[in-house]
Amino acid sequence: GEDVEQSLFLSVREGDSSVINCTYTDSSSTYLYWYKQEPGAGLQLLTYIFSNMDMKQDQRLTVLLNKKDKHLSLRIADTQTGDSAIYFCAETWAGKSTFGDGTTLTVKP
Amino acid sequence: GAVVSQHPSWVICKSGTSVKIECRSLDFQATTMFWYRQFPKKSLMLMATSNEGSKATYEQGVEKDKFLINHASLTLSTLTVTSAHPEDSSFYICSARMKDSPLLDEQYFGPGTRLTVT
Repeated sequence: GEDVEQSLFLSVREGDSSVINCTYTDSSSTYLYWYKQEPGAGLQLLTYIFSNMDMKQDQRLTVLLNKKDKHLSLRIADTQTGDSAIYFCAETWAGKSTFGDGTTLTVKP
Repeated sequence: GAVVSQHPSWVICKSGTSVKIECRSLDFQATTMFWYRQFPKKSLMLMATSNEGSKATYEQGVEKDKFLINHASLTLSTLTVTSAHPEDSSFYICSARMKDSPLLDEQYFGPGTRLTVT
């Protein structure tokens, strides 16, 4: 079955870059997503990448996809305290999404 | 645009009672809605997929008689937890897929419902 793995915690200083990594197993995935979840809230779609792309940049966010290694990363430039949250990667295939366990990002002032 | 609401945002109920959670797409029509369960500091577990006008498809291990899903219209899906027990306490999140969405498979998530069964 599908399996999506992420490191559980990441701590950075304000202004630094954050890199959150994710590995997945289903090579049939069409889209890969990054979501942000703040405490007590639902998921907010941050960005996505189509499976035939290597990179996508969206303002402070850069997504890198290594399809051969099934590795996805999210880089947040100039990380701010408001970026502190849980970040989930998800792969989607045949209309269903499988989520990783989430990476808790803590941004220290 | 693409806002999904859930009601209630939190609910406390007694063991043995039933609780209904609503998921609404406020400004778009949703052909498909998904119900997830999230345990503390854990990922989202897909419980079921519901398509308007048809029976929900439940994931393996999810009891369909316990978690009743109704998707009566293109903007509303409900999840009823029947005969709730303390182990059903969790954060329930719904998501909706927009009809004719330009982005295949994109889901819009509701804010979640915190259920506590005492």
